[in-house]
Amino acid sequence: DAGVIQSPRHEVTEMGQEVTLRCKPISGHNSLFWYRQTMMRGLELLIYFNNNVPIDDSGMPEDRFSAKMPNASFSTLKIQPSEPRDSAVYFCASSRRLAGSYNEQFFGPGTRLTVL
Amino acid sequence: SQQGEEDPQALSIQEGENATMNCSYKTSINNLQWYRQNSGRGLVHLILIRSNEREKHSGRLRVTLDTSKKSSSLLITASRAADTASYFCATDAGAGKSTFGDGTTLTVKP
Repeated sequence: DAGVIQSPRHEVTEMGQEVTLRCKPISGHNSLFWYRQTMMRGLELLIYFNNNVPIDDSGMPEDRFSAKMPNASFSTLKIQPSEPRDSAVYFCASSRRLAGSYNEQFFGPGTRLTVL
Repeated sequence: SQQGEEDPQALSIQEGENATMNCSYKTSINNLQWYRQNSGRGLVHLILIRSNEREKHSGRLRVTLDTSKKSSSLLITASRAADTASYFCATDAGAGKSTFGDGTTLTVKP
C-alpha cells in the first residue's frame, strides 16, 4: 500500500497567488482530514470528511480556505489568495472509520508551503 | 486551547534510559491515542487506549490512562537514538475527529 499521498511536497509562492494542495487517501478509507502545523499553533484540524462529505470545517481559518472531496480517492485544499501567515506544513490523513469505533489515522508526508 | 497538553515540552535522556511523557485533557473522551512524528515527516500512530482501560502495552511502550484526573502517560523503556522524535497525544471525544496536543520533543543521546 502506498500510504497517503500528498502533492506537491514543497510549494513556494508569492502573496496573493492561489495555492492548491492535493491528497490521495489510502484505498478503502472513508474519512479524510486536513491539518496545518506551525511552531506557533501546533497541529490544527482544518476540516474533515466522512464518505466524501464535509463533516466539520470549523477549523478552516477564513473564507480564503476551501476544501473539496469529489470522490473517495482525491481531495484538495485551496487557498485563494494566499498570505505569508499561511506558511506552514499541511498534512492530509485518512482513516477507515466504522460506526461506534475509532480507527487510527494515517498521515501523509505533508506539503511545506511558503508564502513570500 | 488544545484539548490535550503534553508535559514536558522537551525531554533529553541517554540511550538505555526510560522516557516518560504526560498528557492532560479537559473534557470526557472515548479514547486517547499517542502518535510519533520524526523530523520532517507525518505523524505515525503508536497506540490507542480506550476510556475503560487503565493500562496498555505495545513492545517498549506503556500507556496509562486516569480518567478521574483526565491524564495519560506514555513510557518508553530502554530508549534508543531512533526514538528521537516528537510525541503527541490526541483525544477522541466522539465527534469523529481527534484533537492533538502540542507535543513533547524527545531527544535520546547515543
